[in-house]
Amino acid sequence: GENVEQHPSTLSVQEGDSAVIKCTYSDSASNYFPWYKQELGKRPQLIIDIRSNVGEKKDQRIAVTLNKTAKHFSLHITETQPEDSAVYFCAASSGSARQLTFGSGTQLTVLP
Amino acid sequence: DTAVSQTPKYLVTQMGNDKSIKCEQNLGHDTMYWYKQDSKKFLKIMFSYNNKELIINETVPNRFSPKSPDKAHLNLHINSLELGDSAVYFCASSQDSRPGKGTQYFGPGTRLLVL
Repeated sequence: GENVEQHPSTLSVQEGDSAVIKCTYSDSASNYFPWYKQELGKRPQLIIDIRSNVGEKKDQRIAVTLNKTAKHFSLHITETQPEDSAVYFCAASSGSARQLTFGSGTQLTVLP
Repeated sequence: DTAVSQTPKYLVTQMGNDKSIKCEQNLGHDTMYWYKQDSKKFLKIMFSYNNKELIINETVPNRFSPKSPDKAHLNLHINSLELGDSAVYFCASSQDSRPGKGTQYFGPGTRLLVL
């Protein structure tokens, strides 16, 4: 089955700096890669996703890149703000799988 | 209007008890899930139902039994609760059972503490 590794487990940045979270996956058939944000005590919520036919996707201050050859994908947050502080999860799924496999999460802290 | 709702929000109980968690979605989705999030924040799928049919049943003790009376509801019953069952349980739903075909929306979670 799919295995997703996520790094780093914790990340602290100064407000206004950029943050990068990286994930690798094992199943070369995986073709869907969502990112979820979970604020303290809240539910995970989808913030951006990318499919394997696209190398990069942007939505305002967040972007995701995908390298299918290397089997890794990354979340980039620019101009970080205190409200970006949360746990971020990457996930991967193949076309035939009926489930998402989640990474272990990254606790992002944006220091004012 | 809450899209995916769960009850109760908090559940504190003694070891050995039996408890149930309920989930409802009003999004018209076909697929519903139960996830367990432990103290280290790992999100692990437990079960998935598509149109009331069980399609994912991960390695979960058989003390856990899901039930889907209809497409909009998925309940989780836990027998003989153990300390290790303490976690946050999230229900989720999506339009399609294939993750790339529909976003998974999570409920607010049920925080279970077994004493």
